[in-house]
Amino acid sequence: EVQLVQSGAEVKMPGESVKISCKASGYSFTNYWIAWVRQMPGKGLEWMGIIYPGDSDTRYSPSFQGQVTFSVDRFVNTAYLQWSRLKASDTAIFYCARYGEAGATATPVDHWGRGSLVTVSS
Amino acid sequence: DIVMTQSPDSLAVSLGERATINCKSSQSVLDSSSNENYIAWYQQKAGQPPRLLIYWASTRESGVPDRFSGSGSGTDFTLTISSLQAGDVAVYYCQQYYNTPQTFGQGTRLEIK
Repeated sequence: EVQLVQSGAEVKMPGESVKISCKASGYSFTNYWIAWVRQMPGKGLEWMGIIYPGDSDTRYSPSFQGQVTFSVDRFVNTAYLQWSRLKASDTAIFYCARYGEAGATATPVDHWGRGSLVTVSS
Repeated sequence: DIVMTQSPDSLAVSLGERATINCKSSQSVLDSSSNENYIAWYQQKAGQPPRLLIYWASTRESGVPDRFSGSGSGTDFTLTISSLQAGDVAVYYCQQYYNTPQTFGQGTRLEIK
């Protein structure tokens, strides 16, 4: 069974850094692209970008380029999303999600993590 | 970027009645070589992650009840729930995966009348 288990809620102050995780199981981690999706409080879904665990090829949405960093650790089948300097406007739920076809991004996302809430407040 | 626009923003339908949600893309998401439309529909219930319902505009994901159907081509798409059940209360999103960034519609909130 494919599972994406995300790390727990984080409460941070503006200017702090944070790294959230998404641990994959039940499939070959290195063969499927992972997407990160933001959902601000009471708002819709925003596609942040994608990373291919096989070679760490990364593509960011222009809206998030330079604001966040995607990474993976192939030894522990985990993808990461990190910020170096948080802002209050970064408060949101962040989902990791797996694409449905090995090696492809022009395909729907078919498995989602349960989300990680990041709260940034002074 | 391809802009996805859903209508209506919210919808109230009686139990057992039909619900229809529309999605329009700012450019065609039809691949002429494969004749596939790169459109997915997701359902998000309160406090839950999204769930894939429909992909390639009209293919139902495994386990999705057949009262859910998708249609359309090019730039105009529709999600139809043929007979609304109480468990269908949710926000529904369309998404294009034709190119990056893979944009979502703003969502349509579906409630029981």
